[in-house]
Amino acid sequence: NAGVTQTPKFRVLKTGQSMTLLCAQDMNHEYMYWYRQDPGMGLRLIHYSVGEGTTAKGEVPDGYNVSRLKKQNFLLGLESAAPSQTSVYFCASSDWDRGLGDYGYTFGSGTRLTVV
Amino acid sequence: GENVEQHPSTLSVQEGDSAVIKCTYSDSASNYFPWYKQELGKRPQLIIDIRSNVGEKKDQRIAVTLNKTAKHFSLHITETQPEDSAVYFCAARRSSGSARQLTFGSGTQLTVLP
Repeated sequence: NAGVTQTPKFRVLKTGQSMTLLCAQDMNHEYMYWYRQDPGMGLRLIHYSVGEGTTAKGEVPDGYNVSRLKKQNFLLGLESAAPSQTSVYFCASSDWDRGLGDYGYTFGSGTRLTVV
Repeated sequence: GENVEQHPSTLSVQEGDSAVIKCTYSDSASNYFPWYKQELGKRPQLIIDIRSNVGEKKDQRIAVTLNKTAKHFSLHITETQPEDSAVYFCAARRSSGSARQLTFGSGTQLTVLP
């Protein structure tokens, strides 16, 4: 049981390049999220999904696209990378946690992206 | 939407002293308030949470208090140890809505000095 796996862990892009970050979860969770983490700004929600085939915008969606064609995967795309997108990206999944008695979050290990 | 403010942004304490981190939230419909600890280069890990039907919750050296009227909640760490050094995030989630997403505070860098 791997939980939430993010690939790649590190990436350097040139301005204008495109890339896709992959998030995979093996817990059959309905909800999946992409956050970015910048110093002094906490974790900000980029996009999220409430189930297979659904996506929605979060707090900072501009410059990103997402897809959830399969329940276990949530892809984050950057069509034309900009230096402002240099950040650490965290994926998370959520569903009812019987032990927690609420909807628990499971985070991936993060992707450190640098755009030069 | 929800807005969560967290203070202070940095906090240094001597080993053995207590540390307090405070958060306020804007959405009165929020009813779930978790706290996460993030060590350098690692993913955030849930350390304690509280729901709006409870005023205080304690787990060994960690406690969280909630004031629904004032819309603020706090994390208290007693008898701090060097391994408590990390970034701590508060978060809030509303009871309604389908996405179950958390809104996070901006984080507090806690340093415990030996």
